[in-house]
Amino acid sequence: DGGITQSPKYLFRKEGQNVTLSCEQNLNHDAMYWYRQDPGQGLRLIYYSQIVNDFQKGDIAEGYSVSREKKESFPLTVTSAQKNPTAFYLCASSTLDANEKLFFGSGTQLSVL
Amino acid sequence: EDQVTQSPEALRLQEGESSSLNCSYTVSGLRGLFWYRQDPGKGPEFLFTLYSAGEEKEKERLKATLTKKESFLHITAPKPEDSATYLCAVHGSGSARQLTFGSGTQLTVLP
Repeated sequence: DGGITQSPKYLFRKEGQNVTLSCEQNLNHDAMYWYRQDPGQGLRLIYYSQIVNDFQKGDIAEGYSVSREKKESFPLTVTSAQKNPTAFYLCASSTLDANEKLFFGSGTQLSVL
Repeated sequence: EDQVTQSPEALRLQEGESSSLNCSYTVSGLRGLFWYRQDPGKGPEFLFTLYSAGEEKEKERLKATLTKKESFLHITAPKPEDSATYLCAVHGSGSARQLTFGSGTQLTVLP
């Protein structure tokens, strides 16, 4: 089945630690995205990428970093500079068509120890 | 700046009790309005895209409509399995590839 796989499902971060969230897709989509979801708030865009080795900041990129070395993969690193990392993180992908229909992964819940 | 407001925040219905969810938006040049369904602990699942005022789309018990200022998601004779959070998002012409999401309506359908 085609889809987006996020791992791990749950992740815990210690103070001062960097953690990396994995996102892999086999939909042959060019564009990939990372969103953050907090309770009672809408999804907020962290980073997106339309092509390998290129990515753009979203609304809340501070404290996060990404890479896009392969079309299928778009990992997100939550750095120690992100002081409030506890949230539900969603990866998505889409074609480059104008209708912007997003396919989402099942999410990673990140918590701080 | 694009903005999306969804109401109500939460809605409890009895099975079979029809209702509507509202999505009000302000956007500079609407490219598309999207409805997603999200179950607890999972990623959103795409439901509909609407592009212009007057457009309607249906899927099973759900019907989405669009005006120049808002969209409605009508739920006819809901069942408990329709319980989820419903998210609305807009893509404006001023946003390169960004969707602006509302905070969602949490729907609970009681048997």
